[in-house]
This record gives sequence, C-alpha cells and structure tokens, in this order.
Amino acid sequence: DGGITQSPKYLFRKEGQNVTLSCEQNLNHDAMYWYRQDPGQGLRLIYYSQIVNDFQKGDIAEGYSVSREKKESFPLTVTSAQKNPTAFYLCASTGRFQSTDTQYFGPGTRLTVL
Amino acid sequence: AQKITQTQPGMFVQEKEAVTLDCTYDTSDQSYGLFWYKQPSSGEMIFLIYQGSYDEQNATEGRYSLNFQKARKSANLVISASQLGDSAMYFCAMREGLAYSGAGSYQLTFGKGTKLSVIP
Repeated sequence: DGGITQSPKYLFRKEGQNVTLSCEQNLNHDAMYWYRQDPGQGLRLIYYSQIVNDFQKGDIAEGYSVSREKKESFPLTVTSAQKNPTAFYLCASTGRFQSTDTQYFGPGTRLTVL
Repeated sequence: AQKITQTQPGMFVQEKEAVTLDCTYDTSDQSYGLFWYKQPSSGEMIFLIYQGSYDEQNATEGRYSLNFQKARKSANLVISASQLGDSAMYFCAMREGLAYSGAGSYQLTFGKGTKLSVIP
C-alpha cells in the first residue's frame, strides 16, 4: 500500500546530541514537508522540498537541517543548536498536478530530550 | 494577525447529533485552498475535506461538509451523525495562492485546533 512512513515512533535524545528522523514515501510525490507540533498547538513548518536536491526553510528552521537526495526520502536532523527540541514531528508529502494539493501525513515521531 | 483562527478550544456533541467546528481565515489572495484535518490521539493527521476559493459549491465528503462563506472568510466543518470515533482534534489549514504556482505556494498554515468529544 502507498503511504508515508516515519521512524522511529518514539525517540529519546540527550542534550547536545544530534538525531535524525526518517521520512519515506512511496506515493511518487514531488514535494515533502516537515512540521513540528507542540502540545495544544497547531503545526509549524520547519522545512520543505519541492524537488530532489532542493529544499527551503520554513518558519522555524533554526536548529534543524534536511537533505533530499532521493525523491522518496526527506530526513530531518535535529541538531544540538535546537534549544527546545522536545515535540511531535510530522512529515507530509504532496504530488504535483493532483486535482488538489492536499498534503498527506505520516504517523509522526515523538522526540523527547532527557 | 493570525491567518487561521479556530475559536473553540473544545466542543462536546451527543452521539448521532451534528456538530459545527468554526474556522475563520485571513488572506489577501484571491486564490487559496482550505483544508480540514483530523488528529486522533495516535497523532497522525488525517485529511478530511478540501475547499478551493473558486469552488462555487460547498465541499462534501461522506459525513463531512464544509460551510464555505467567502465574504465572511469562514470555512466551518460540519460533521453529521457524530460517532464515538469522531472524538479527536480537528485542524483547519490554508494554502495561499494558486497551487503549484511557485515557492511558498505549497505551504499550509494551521489553526490551533478544536478538541471534539463525542458523548455516548
């Protein structure tokens, strides 16, 4: 079945460590996104990528980095420069030239800094 | 100013009754899209319904309909015949500009959500 997978589901990090969150899609979608959700809040855009080898900063990119070497994959690295990384992270994708530009989401990764 | 406003932090509805979740938006673009997502306690965001700014008819998808009032800049979600499984957070989101028209056109802005609880 086509869809978006994120791993791991839960991630614990010590302060000062970098961690990488995985996002893979087999929907043949061109664009992929990373969002952060804090308790009681909506989603905020971290980074997005419209095509391979290209990505753009979103509203809260500081302390995060991404790569887009393959169409199917858009990993997010949470660096030690991110001061408050504990949050729920959601990856999404959308295809070009769909009838609507609906974004479809993965199941999310919950990151906790110890 | 917030671009998406959901004024109801929490709502209760009796099972089998209809419920309306409010969403107002703010944009100066003529072309935009409005989305509703459901987030159960598991965390995944589930797409429910879409309304384009040029769509003349209100969108419907099964038990979900979108009450689109362009002049008032509101896009309320109506859930008919509520079920216990409808208990979740509901988010309204907006894409400004034409889809696929360039950098930034893919971005969604989300409201803070409404927590819906369905009572047996």
